[in-house]
Amino acid sequence: DTAVSQTPKYLVTQMGNDKSIKCEQNLGHDTMYWYKQDSKKFLKIMFSYNNKELIINETVPNRFSPKSPDKAHLNLHINSLELGDSAVYFCASSQRGTEHYGYTFGSGTRLTVV
Amino acid sequence: EDQVTQSPEALRLQEGESSSLNCSYTVSGLRGLFWYRQDPGKGPEFLFTLYSAGEEKEKERLKATLTKKESFLHITAPKPEDSATYLCAVQETGGSYIPTFGRGTSLIVHP
Repeated sequence: DTAVSQTPKYLVTQMGNDKSIKCEQNLGHDTMYWYKQDSKKFLKIMFSYNNKELIINETVPNRFSPKSPDKAHLNLHINSLELGDSAVYFCASSQRGTEHYGYTFGSGTRLTVV
Repeated sequence: EDQVTQSPEALRLQEGESSSLNCSYTVSGLRGLFWYRQDPGKGPEFLFTLYSAGEEKEKERLKATLTKKESFLHITAPKPEDSATYLCAVQETGGSYIPTFGRGTSLIVHP
C-alpha cells in the first residue's frame, strides 16, 4: 500500500502550458505539503495545508495554485509554465502534533518544461 | 546565508570504511533536527529526530548525534546499500513549524 502517492511521475510539457499534479495519502494525516527540489537537491517548502486549509504559503509565484478537496488529497495546478519551473515536486504528509515522526514523502513528480 | 549547512557535499567510501556526515545550523532556538535518507528517484525517508544537545539515536549502521550547533550522522562499516543522499532538516522554535532542509550529502559506498 502506497502511503503518499503522486501522479504523474514524469511530466514533460512546453512553456506556457497549464498542468496539474495530484497527491493522495492514505495515512489519515491531517497536514499535507508541497515541496520543490531543484537540480542541486535543495528541498524547499511551497505550501502546507491542514484539514483542507492553507496554512503556509511561501513566496511562490501565483501561477502555482494548490487545492485540497479533502484532507487526504492535495493537488497542485501550475499555469503558464516557465523553464525555471523544471524541478522535482514532492508531496508529503504528517499528523499535527506528531511531527517528531517526520514527514512521509511521495516519490516525486519530475517536471520538465521545454 | 543558509540556516542549515551540510558537509561534505559528496562522500565516497569503501565498504567497511566508517565516516561521519555533518549538519551545522544557525537558528536561535532548536525545536527539532531531522535526518532523512533519499534514494535516486524517490522521496526522502525519515530516519531520526533529535531534540537536545547530547541526544543520540541509532538505527542499524547509522548513529545520529546532536550538539548545540551541529549534528553528525555516523556511518559504521557502511555497505553499498547505504549509498544515498542524506538530508538534514531543522525545525526552529517560535516560528513556522516547517523544517528547513540542508542541501544534503551524497554518499556512495563502493564494494
